[in-house]
Amino acid sequence: NAGVTQTPKFRILKIGQSMTLQCTQDMNHNYMYWYRQDPGMGLKLIYYSVGAGITDKGEVPNGYNVSRSTTEDFPLRLELAAPSQTSVYFCASSYSLGQGAKLSGYTFGSGTRLTVV
Amino acid sequence: ELKVEQNPLFLSMQEGKNYTIYCNYSTTSDRLYWYRQDPGKSLESLFVLLSNGAVKQEGRLMASLDTKARLSTLHITAAVHDLSATYFCAVDRRTGNQFYFGTGTSLTVIP
Repeated sequence: NAGVTQTPKFRILKIGQSMTLQCTQDMNHNYMYWYRQDPGMGLKLIYYSVGAGITDKGEVPNGYNVSRSTTEDFPLRLELAAPSQTSVYFCASSYSLGQGAKLSGYTFGSGTRLTVV
Repeated sequence: ELKVEQNPLFLSMQEGKNYTIYCNYSTTSDRLYWYRQDPGKSLESLFVLLSNGAVKQEGRLMASLDTKARLSTLHITAAVHDLSATYFCAVDRRTGNQFYFGTGTSLTVIP
């Protein structure tokens, strides 16, 4: 069971470039999330999704876009990379109350370390 | 805005000692989560506390939740070097299942 898989693990972007961070989960979780973690800081929510076709903004959505066409995939797109987007990005997934499962919290991916120069 | 505050932010302790990390939050919630993060790694779930008075223990770590005080504690007993990591608490609102994380407590256990 792979859990939450993120790719790539590392990436260096030039200012103004675009890229997509991939996230896939195989646990049939309805809920998926993107967080960023800046050095020495906690996690800030960028976007989240409560199911296929449904997405919503978190605390820090500016400069990012997401889509959720399937239950398994939740890619994060950076359109015009800026140095302020240098961070570690974590994708996570969880059950929802509607799935009737034990509330087990989030399962996190291994992260993508992004540097914008 | 929901705020989650942890203290201390940094903790250096000797092996064998006991200490407590505190997590305060600013809104009504009856679910609290503790995570561990090793340097350069992802977050690993430690505890899920789902009701007032919940207490869970795993090895040298024990977590508790007081929803009336909006406080959770993570108690470390007889610390060992392997416990060195950053510990995060997280709270969710009762709707939306969206988590809010504390800033983390960086723990260093000195041999």
